[in-house]
Amino acid sequence: QSALTQPPSASGSLGQSVTISCTGTSSDVGAYNYVSWYQQHPGKAPKLIIYEVSKRPSGVPDRFSGSKSANTASLTVSGLQAEDDADYYCSSYAGSSDFLYVFGTGTKVTVL
Amino acid sequence: QLQLQESGPGLVKPSETLSLTCTVSGDSISGGTYYWGWIRQPPGKGLEWIGSIYHTGRTFYNASLKSRVIISVDTSKDQFSLKLNSVTAADTAVYYCARIGNWLFDYWGQGTLVIVSS
Repeated sequence: QSALTQPPSASGSLGQSVTISCTGTSSDVGAYNYVSWYQQHPGKAPKLIIYEVSKRPSGVPDRFSGSKSANTASLTVSGLQAEDDADYYCSSYAGSSDFLYVFGTGTKVTVL
Repeated sequence: QLQLQESGPGLVKPSETLSLTCTVSGDSISGGTYYWGWIRQPPGKGLEWIGSIYHTGRTFYNASLKSRVIISVDTSKDQFSLKLNSVTAADTAVYYCARIGNWLFDYWGQGTLVIVSS
């Protein structure tokens, strides 16, 4: 089972939007609506920001939104703020008992 | 507020066994329909799911690590543990424990760096 593919980096100016892709296969992203996204600041644990493709946990700003089409999921951060400068990882349920969960390769978002 | 805390040696010699424990506070490890899992992150790299356990002891392991991993649970102490044997430098990573609910990792420990070196 390979990691989900994400672009290594993305950037946007304050107030602008950035979209990150997460490409998997028909066995993971394409098979289930169990894609989640995590934000990780340096030296910190990942934080859940999107689950089940497009749902936001309580307390996560609505600037964060998710979607999915076929084998590719996407995370959009609108109205970029300085604190959005972080690493972002997608994850998908993969359904196999040997590979229950797979993570993305990670994207560094830089707020210019 | 649910909290998870990893503990264990920060330095392990090659070929030996890495042992970590995650202590859960703020809720019972047996409460609800949650799995509990271990995830690791080599320095400068991405996240990798290691395995998960239910309070009954049912486990799932990443096939790439399955031959070397054991995850166990002690419900009386609200703890679950990770053992990874025959470690090499490639196992150097920050190890996180997390709660898994509805196919997502919603609560994470702060992580603990384990270095494999002689």
